[in-house]
Amino acid sequence: KNQVEQSPQSLIILEGKNCTLQCNYTVSPFSNLRWYKQDTGRGPVSLTIMTFSENTKSNGRYTATLDADTKQSSLHITASQLSDSASYICVVGRTLPYNNNDMRFGAGTRLTVKP
Amino acid sequence: ETGVTQTPRHLVMGMTNKKSLKCEQHLGHNAMYWYKQSAKKPLELMFVYSLEERVENNSVPSRFSPECPNSSHLFLHLHTLQPEDSALYLCASSQEKRVNTEAFFGQGTRLTVV
Repeated sequence: KNQVEQSPQSLIILEGKNCTLQCNYTVSPFSNLRWYKQDTGRGPVSLTIMTFSENTKSNGRYTATLDADTKQSSLHITASQLSDSASYICVVGRTLPYNNNDMRFGAGTRLTVKP
Repeated sequence: ETGVTQTPRHLVMGMTNKKSLKCEQHLGHNAMYWYKQSAKKPLELMFVYSLEERVENNSVPSRFSPECPNSSHLFLHLHTLQPEDSALYLCASSQEKRVNTEAFFGQGTRLTVV
């Protein structure tokens, strides 16, 4: 319960190709879902945030989708670049009266983009 | 830059040493967090300071001791650590009471315990 599962665990693609990362969650009560990008040895940086009423959000070449009914989200990366090599972390926030930022983290998908 | 600064970036310490990690945020946030990130594992919440009140994860060993002297600064004091404590320690801040607020992370401190 209150878990976030990401797949695949790792992914290797060629530069210029597209890819899609998956996130399934059982977190409840749901508040929001964020995708973070984390370069090796650095802190995560937010890419997108979606609330219950939003089913898609774009940030440049990154597009996140959310299906709150099936509790699934995806992150689609278009025309990948070498700089996209990083870990992508799905984070689901819980709605709690005393702590709005009770966040549950997935283990991340390690993406490697090769030339 | 996210507005959250951590020092040092790298730290190697012996098991008998005492050291401290520092975090500073310039975003006017009122909540700060310590996370531990071990290889291939999800981020683990260690401590939360909200409105200068500590909310603690009870599973954190007492060899980790947080300190929050004001809303902009957060410390993690380390004492008699174990090799399995080697990890990336991340600090984050947020404006807690704002709906769907975002957490901003620092660059982390890579800690190695020898």
